[in-house]
Amino acid sequence: EDQVTQSPEALRLQEGESSSLNCSYTVSGLRGLFWYRQDPGKGPEFLFTLYSAGEEKEKERLKATLTKKESFLHITAPKPEDSATYLCAVQAQSGYSTLTFGKGTMLLVSP
Amino acid sequence: NAGVTQTPKFQVLKTGQSMTLQCAQDMNHEYMSWYRQDPGMGLRLIHYSVGAGITDQGEVPNGYNVSRSTTEDFPLRLLSAAPSQTSVYFCASSGTANSPLHFGNGTRLTVT
Repeated sequence: EDQVTQSPEALRLQEGESSSLNCSYTVSGLRGLFWYRQDPGKGPEFLFTLYSAGEEKEKERLKATLTKKESFLHITAPKPEDSATYLCAVQAQSGYSTLTFGKGTMLLVSP
Repeated sequence: NAGVTQTPKFQVLKTGQSMTLQCAQDMNHEYMSWYRQDPGMGLRLIHYSVGAGITDQGEVPNGYNVSRSTTEDFPLRLLSAAPSQTSVYFCASSGTANSPLHFGNGTRLTVT
């Protein structure tokens, strides 16, 4: 059974204070690992897909990295508008495989 | 493009009532799915479809029915609502099996 564990559950940062969110996973052959951002009252919004260990992707202040067991979402010099819940999901390689989501990390960035 | 549109945004039902949550996408995506999101549980897959006429069960399918008669629409039916079905429901679509999901903005359902 595929499993995704995200930590911490919640994180409070001061504006400009860099940090990382963790996504640990077990999956029977990884097809892809996805990061989403979710704002209150909205649906998740796609950020990144990572496919193989060592891969990195960046978007503005966000950088996602992948190893064989976990992924990190690094947030550099965050701003209050980065406040959201960040979700991690994995997709296994077999056939049409659905996503398994973690419970998310709620990030609050204070000015 | 509107993307994925869900209606209604909010709904209150009494136990035993039935209703249909609507989901439509205008991106010509083959893959569509329904998730529920509960506090402390994350997103859980209810049903999904890999094309018109083809549906399958996800992790938590009991109490829900789906059908896919067109590429655009994927309604979710609650036949006899129960308080345990109080949740936020999200519809999502993707163009291929490997593509990221595009989500709607959800339907918040309360069953009393």
